[in-house]
Amino acid sequence: QTVVTQEPSFSVSPGGTVTLTCGLSSGSVSTGYYPTWYQQTPGQPPRTVIYSTYTRSSGVPDRFSGSILGNKAALTITGAHADDESDYYCVLYMGSGISLFGGGTKLTVL
Amino acid sequence: QVQLQESGPGLVKPSETLSLTCTVSGDSISSYFWSWIRQPAGKGLEWIGRIYPSGSTNYNPSLKSRVTMSVDTSKSQLSLRLTSVTAADTAFYYCARVVMGSGYYYFDLWGQGTLVTVSS
Repeated sequence: QTVVTQEPSFSVSPGGTVTLTCGLSSGSVSTGYYPTWYQQTPGQPPRTVIYSTYTRSSGVPDRFSGSILGNKAALTITGAHADDESDYYCVLYMGSGISLFGGGTKLTVL
Repeated sequence: QVQLQESGPGLVKPSETLSLTCTVSGDSISSYFWSWIRQPAGKGLEWIGRIYPSGSTNYNPSLKSRVTMSVDTSKSQLSLRLTSVTAADTAFYYCARVVMGSGYYYFDLWGQGTLVTVSS
């Protein structure tokens, strides 16, 4: 059974740079999986940050960027703000109508 | 603007059937795929399935035997049924709109979610 892998937690200092990754238990993540990144704060539904690997959703600051790094999708925050402290989820489209979420990364900014 | 609103019983007994509705306002339900996604409190997101108003469905293989999704276009409503529930089905349930095209596929709009607790 395929699993989408994410770091359980990450910490970054205000103003620092952090890269979260999204991998597959078997195989490599490519743009063909249309990697999407969501940000979620407590009590709120997820908010789209990056879709289709690289594209920032409307209203998302340009300190957020998406890429493929090696065999994983990546979300980079350059110049982290305190309000970037959230849970981040990636989701991959596996084909045949099936989507698969990663377990999420809890990002702490301190 | 487009809004999605989930509704349904907040408490379901073990072994019974969970039934939820998602009402879509502000846009046509007929032009998109729609998904249900759930999240146990304090845990990660799990995709349940998707439906197109024509009736075409795709379900998470791990839930497929218990899930049924449907659409009522006249009411702009989506429905989710999950049978034989256990405590493991306790979660926030979200409906979400799927947008897709050449080079993209993602859930662009989400409802606020509704909490369903499975308990006797």
